[in-house]
Amino acid sequence: GAVVSQHPSRVICKSGTSVKIECRSLDFQATTMFWYRQFPKQSLMLMATSNEGSKATYEQGVEKDKFLINHASLTLSTLTVTSAHPEDSSFYICSARVTSAYQETQYFGPGTRLLVL
Amino acid sequence: GENVEQHPSTLSVQEGDSAVIKCTYSDSASNYFPWYKQELGKRPQLIIDIRSNVGEKKDQRIAVTLNKTAKHFSLHITETQPEDSAVYFCAASGGSYIPTFGRGTSLIVHP
Repeated sequence: GAVVSQHPSRVICKSGTSVKIECRSLDFQATTMFWYRQFPKQSLMLMATSNEGSKATYEQGVEKDKFLINHASLTLSTLTVTSAHPEDSSFYICSARVTSAYQETQYFGPGTRLLVL
Repeated sequence: GENVEQHPSTLSVQEGDSAVIKCTYSDSASNYFPWYKQELGKRPQLIIDIRSNVGEKKDQRIAVTLNKTAKHFSLHITETQPEDSAVYFCAASGGSYIPTFGRGTSLIVHP
């Protein structure tokens, strides 16, 4: 299957700093990537849909000024958590949509564990 | 929007037994239903999926059934093994292909 990477895998930062997370599709081009947030023992909550060359579409309740998404190329989307606070600590997972003539499938990155002190 | 309910939240079985996880969805326009397995601290992995033009799909020990009329679909795992222990998520999506996930089922297979 398609490979999606994420970097960094984990990050610890001080409150008030900004953190950038990269999501890359390694062997395919992805016009659409998704960013999810997952709290311990909970489901995946979609934060936003990242579209190459255009603005991201944010889900209700997600602050677009706090979670900046950039999808500058067909293989890279970035999520920047600005002025991070302890409540932003979570597991952030991206995914990329692979489209073929027959179907569409979603492949997930390995996730980034963010801890804000 | 779509609402996906998943049950049970926790399922404990003995090795060799079968496990069944059930999901219901609300949007009749949904036409794609993937199932993901997520081990602790790792990424969700697609294990099987089904589209609305099919009622059942099987892949070795894993099968998924879909009842469009009742708007529910189920994951069946036969001959469970300890390595099947993980959290399983169902999802439903329509034309936009932005899936809505269920809350997850923690499957524990006891040796």
